Amino acid sequence: DVKVTQSSRYLVKRTGEKVFLECVQDMDHENMFWYRQDPGLGLRLIYFSYDVKMKEKGDIPEGYSVSREKKERFSLILESASTNQTSMYLCASSRQGNTQYFGPGTRLTVL
Amino acid sequence: GESVGLHLPTLSVQEGDNSIINCAYSNSASDYFIWYKQESGKGPQFIIDIRSNMDKRQGQRVTVLLNKTVKHLSLQIAATQPGDSAVYFCAETKGSGNTGKLIFGQGTTLQVKP
Repeated sequence: DVKVTQSSRYLVKRTGEKVFLECVQDMDHENMFWYRQDPGLGLRLIYFSYDVKMKEKGDIPEGYSVSREKKERFSLILESASTNQTSMYLCASSRQGNTQYFGPGTRLTVL
Repeated sequence: GESVGLHLPTLSVQEGDNSIINCAYSNSASDYFIWYKQESGKGPQFIIDIRSNMDKRQGQRVTVLLNKTVKHLSLQIAATQPGDSAVYFCAETKGSGNTGKLIFGQGTTLQVKP
């Protein structure tokens, strides 16, 4: 079975802090994705990566950056957390052109 | 613009009945569609997929139907059970290429009454 894990299920940070969200997949997938999910807005793509050290902006990249140094790991970075970044963050991975498999999510609260 | 939408935000069914969840898409070039199930507090879970060269695909208790003429996708769940209560999302490929980017609908909440 595909397994996508995320470093934390719940996280509470303060405004201005730098936040790291980690995602690891064990299926040797080329593609990895970061989404945020908010009530009424559905899933919105922040960034994705189709190879090591490669990244592309999604629909809402502002205020975020990413890092992919190894194929299995994709990190989402909030350089200076703000309250409007309080959300559920979901990581996913896939083989090229195929189904995305999701992690359990990290519920981030920024105070 | 491109959008993937679900007809109803909430669907309530009796345990044991069949459920039908609908989705309309607007991108005629989309060639791959997926249904996900998301239970409260969890990430979306893959249910079933279908490619545009097919009209129907069946899984265990689930069937996906694709009508390309009217750009409509549906998920049918047979003999709905309480464990089927969740939010269901449809998703489609966004454009061509092999990055696997998807666009998602807003979701339909399925409530199963005992």
